[in-house]
Amino acid sequence: RKEVEQDPGPFNVPEGATVAFNCTYSNSASQSFFWYRQDCRKEPKLLMSVYSSGNEDGRFTAQLNRASQYISLLIRDSKLSDSATYLCVAEEKSNTGKLIFGQGTTLQVKP
Amino acid sequence: ETGVTQTPRHLVMGMTNKKSLKCEQHLGHNAMYWYKQSAKKPLELMFVYNFKEQTENNSVPSRFSPECPNSSHLFLHLHTLQPEDSALYLCASSQGSDSRSPLHFGNGTRLTVT
Repeated sequence: RKEVEQDPGPFNVPEGATVAFNCTYSNSASQSFFWYRQDCRKEPKLLMSVYSSGNEDGRFTAQLNRASQYISLLIRDSKLSDSATYLCVAEEKSNTGKLIFGQGTTLQVKP
Repeated sequence: ETGVTQTPRHLVMGMTNKKSLKCEQHLGHNAMYWYKQSAKKPLELMFVYNFKEQTENNSVPSRFSPECPNSSHLFLHLHTLQPEDSALYLCASSQGSDSRSPLHFGNGTRLTVT
C-alpha cells in the first residue's frame, strides 16, 4: 500500500467549477500535512498547510480527517491558472521534517 | 524566484561517467535536501542535511554521494549510474528540518543515464 495515495486524474473541469481532491495516508502517527502545487516542468511549491480544524486560503480549502486518515483540497471558482498537479504530503514522523509525497493529482481547467 | 538554484538544468551521462549536481540556496536556510522525481512516481527523499550535517539517508545506493560544504551549498556526486537512475533531481531547502518550515525547491536537474 502506498504511504500517501492520490487519484492521479486527470481531472478536467470547466472554468468556474468547484473541484475536490482527496488523499489518504497510511501512517497514523503522521501529524503534519500539506498540499504542494507543481506546474508542468516546474518545481513543487507549497500551496497550503492542512490543519486539524480545516483551513481556507481564498478559493482553496483544505481539511483533515484523522479518523479516516484522509486529507482533502477543495478549489472553488476554478481558474485556467489553477491547471497543475497537486501533491498531497504527510510528515512521516512528528517533527522529523521527513515528508512523504503522493504521486499527485493533475487538474486541467478548460475555458 | 532564484532562492534555490540548481545546475546543470539537464545532464546526459554514460554509466561509466562521474558527474556532480550542484545546488545553492540564497534564503539563509539551515536545512537542505535532495529529492528524486521519476516519471509517474512520487517524489522520493534521498538525503537531508541540517546545519551541514547529514541527518537522513533514505537507503540511497552508494553510487549517489552527497556533499554539503556549508549551509548554502549542496552537491550530489554521481558515479557508475544505471539507466533507471534517469529522473528529475530536485534540491530543496528549509529554515529548519522540522515540518513547520516549508520546503523551497530548485527547478531541478533532469538526468538521463545512457
